Amino acid sequence: DGGITQSPKYLFRKEGQNVTLSCEQNLNHDAMYWYRQDPGQGLRLIYYSQIVNDFQKGDIAEGYSVSREKKESFPLTVTSAQKNPTAFYLCASTSGQGETNEQFFGPGTRLTVL
Amino acid sequence: GQSLEQPSEVTAVEGAIVQINCTYQTSGFYGLSWYQQHDGGAPTFLSYNALDGLEETGRFSSFLSRSDSYGYLLLQELQMKDSASYFCAVRAYTGGFKTIFGAGTRLFVKA
Repeated sequence: DGGITQSPKYLFRKEGQNVTLSCEQNLNHDAMYWYRQDPGQGLRLIYYSQIVNDFQKGDIAEGYSVSREKKESFPLTVTSAQKNPTAFYLCASTSGQGETNEQFFGPGTRLTVL
Repeated sequence: GQSLEQPSEVTAVEGAIVQINCTYQTSGFYGLSWYQQHDGGAPTFLSYNALDGLEETGRFSSFLSRSDSYGYLLLQELQMKDSASYFCAVRAYTGGFKTIFGAGTRLFVKA
């Protein structure tokens, strides 16, 4: 079955530690995205990548970093510079083809910084 | 800048019809999408409108008026399982394509 996987589902870290969230897709999609969602809020774009080895900052990129070395993978690192990292993180992908630009989402990782 | 407005909460009874509105201010507008998200889950795509008018997909319909910068999601024959958050999202081109999500509308369906 094609889809997007994110791991782990729940993650706890101590303040000041960097942490990397995994995102893998086997949909053969070119574009991948990372969003942050806070309770009762919409999705805010952190970073996105349209092709391998290229990525752009979204609206709230400060304190985060990404890489796109493979088409299937788009890991997100939450660094110690991120002031309030506790949130629900969602990864998504789109084919870049077709009219609707439907985004397919992974199940999310809920990060809690203690 | 880019902004979307939608009501924070809507309550309706099972079997009824409910409309969730979305107004937007954006440059480079391409289209309006709707996503559903159940608590703790991932958003799932419901519909996309690029042109004015109504798109129907089963119990759900979505409408767009580009001249009014306005759209809505219409849910008919409401079921308890429709209780979820619904997000409108604008697809826009500003030097590259981006999708901007609204804050979401929490729908409560009562028996």
